[in-house]
Amino acid sequence: GIQVEQSPPDLILQEGANSTLRCNFSDSVNNLQWFHQNPWGQLINLFYIPSGTKQNGRLSATTVATERYSLLYISSSQTTDSGVYFCAVGQGNTPLVFGKGTRLSVIA
Amino acid sequence: DVKVTQSSRYLVKRTGEKVFLECVQDMDHENMFWYRQDPGLGLRLIYFSYDVKMKEKGDIPEGYSVSREKKERFSLILESASTNQTSMYLCASCSGGDYEQYFGPGTRLTVT
Repeated sequence: GIQVEQSPPDLILQEGANSTLRCNFSDSVNNLQWFHQNPWGQLINLFYIPSGTKQNGRLSATTVATERYSLLYISSSQTTDSGVYFCAVGQGNTPLVFGKGTRLSVIA
Repeated sequence: DVKVTQSSRYLVKRTGEKVFLECVQDMDHENMFWYRQDPGLGLRLIYFSYDVKMKEKGDIPEGYSVSREKKERFSLILESASTNQTSMYLCASCSGGDYEQYFGPGTRLTVT
């Protein structure tokens, strides 16, 4: 099956700093999503981005499908950005395969 | 906005009890999924369904069953709860043509 690797596993930032989270996957996909898991455990959709670049406020994402990776950029980080960020991939409407996540801590 | 709801946020059950976890989505999605999340193991797929009355086993179906009698509702059943089923359970749904999956708030189940 598809393998998904996220890096780094843990990241500590000072408030206001920028960061880049990476997701590598082992096979071609046509579904790639980034999620933020909030402190209550809910997965919040950040981006649906099987290819290309998208931006939403301070967050942006780029997927290079031919090279099998995706990047999530967080600019001017805030303490509310803390939590676990997951990358998940799939082929069509098949179940998503999740990476193990990046745990982000933003300190004031 | 897509809304996926789960019947309980927190649930405490005793070993051997039959447990029902309910998931309802309001966007007429064909596809629904049940995952569990455990520290160090990440999210793992239990069961999924592509249509009413259809079900497919995921990676860890042992000890679970599912029911999908209506399109909007997908139930996960623990036939005889065991302590190793203590976990966070997450339900998701997506349409057949647009693959973006949406998750419910999760149910934290504790089996004592």
